[in-house]
Amino acid sequence: RKEVEQDPGPFNVPEGATVAFNCTYSNSASQSFFWYRQDCRKEPKLLMSVYSSGNEDGRFTAQLNRASQYISLLIRDSKLSDSATYLCVVKRGSQGNLIFGKGTKLSVKP
Amino acid sequence: GAGVSQSPSNKVTEKGKDVELRCDPISGHTALYWYRQSLGQGLEFLIYFQGNSAPDKSGLPSDRFSAERTGGSVSTLTIQRTQQEDSAVYLCASSPVGTSNQPQHFGDGTRLSIL
Repeated sequence: RKEVEQDPGPFNVPEGATVAFNCTYSNSASQSFFWYRQDCRKEPKLLMSVYSSGNEDGRFTAQLNRASQYISLLIRDSKLSDSATYLCVVKRGSQGNLIFGKGTKLSVKP
Repeated sequence: GAGVSQSPSNKVTEKGKDVELRCDPISGHTALYWYRQSLGQGLEFLIYFQGNSAPDKSGLPSDRFSAERTGGSVSTLTIQRTQQEDSAVYLCASSPVGTSNQPQHFGDGTRLSIL
């Protein structure tokens, strides 16, 4: 079983739609959680950190359920510019490397 | 401000040759990471440097791969006797020492093609 698992998609949605991505992780020692965004042939860029209390940044909401080892990302009112691959990322300990999921591809259509 | 800088941005070489990839992290970041991403695949961890500690080499796929970090700043990833399966984008990231939630900042990557 992979340490971080995501539905690869693609998710094809119209502009304005709400879309949700899910991710599960297998290592209960994971301490930090992130969503990164990667555009085609570009480097990954941090979208947001994920906290147990849930956090929101504009149209984006991230949730963490430690008991279920489950992370989610909700995008509301999706824009064409949201089209990208969304990477679920976990970090073990304070100084460990990042473990990346393979990503979920989102395509927002006019 | 300056981000993570990698060079070269593209490298094409023949099978069997050695290659060196360079990473210049963000100034003041003591943690440096190398990953690689093959076409259509997720990121694969290679090696991690933290200050003066021994590096975590657990992700290196074979003994043809090595990396060093001189003076706690610039890092070089070396691949000896390259094989076609080494073709990938090699990404470097850095982060400051701090809490667990410190994100990593990535460079643009080096796109390596082995002919």
